[in-house]
Amino acid sequence: GAVVSQHPSRVICKSGTSVKIECRSLDFQATTMFWYRQFPKKSLMLMATSNEGSKATYEQGVEKDKFLINHASLTLSTLTVTSAHPEDSSFYICSARDQSAQGNYGYTFGSGTRLTVV
Amino acid sequence: AQSVTQPDIHITVSEGASLELRCNYSYGATPYLFWYVQSPGQGLQLLLKYFSGDTLVQGIKGFEAEFKRSQSSFNLRKPSVHWSDAAEYFCAVARMDSSYKLIFGSGTRLLVRP
Repeated sequence: GAVVSQHPSRVICKSGTSVKIECRSLDFQATTMFWYRQFPKKSLMLMATSNEGSKATYEQGVEKDKFLINHASLTLSTLTVTSAHPEDSSFYICSARDQSAQGNYGYTFGSGTRLTVV
Repeated sequence: AQSVTQPDIHITVSEGASLELRCNYSYGATPYLFWYVQSPGQGLQLLLKYFSGDTLVQGIKGFEAEFKRSQSSFNLRKPSVHWSDAAEYFCAVARMDSSYKLIFGSGTRLLVRP
């Protein structure tokens, strides 16, 4: 089946530094990838939608200059948390849409990245 | 606007007992509905999905869900729960536009008593 590899699984960084999270679709092409943020014991909050070769679309209230998204190829999307602060600590999950799936609605999730900013 | 409601924050069942997790959606047309499971510190795994056709959908790990248009519901069921089913369960509906966004419910945490 479709697999999405998300890396790293855990990262600890110092306040003020930047962190990059990668999301790769391993056996399918993902023209659309989604980035979510999940607070402890909460649901997934959609941060942005990235489409290969174009600018990401951010949800209301998400700072595009803090959360930089790049979707340079059909298999790779990256989320960079810039100038990270402790309040950016969270669990980040990517999801890739497999348009070959039934009805074009196939979503495969990465295993998530636990970001801790100290 | 589309929305998904999971009214139960926590549910505790005994191992071997039956399970039903509730999900209600708000959408004007026939929705595309999903159930996902998340183990602690992990991503989401698809249990099953409904697009059209038979309203009783079979999924992995012995789960099933029934789409009831009259009740705007898509409840998840399992006849006999195993301890390994303890996890967070999310219901989701897909936006039927070019965004393809998934809208998630708030989740239900399942606890299994031995």
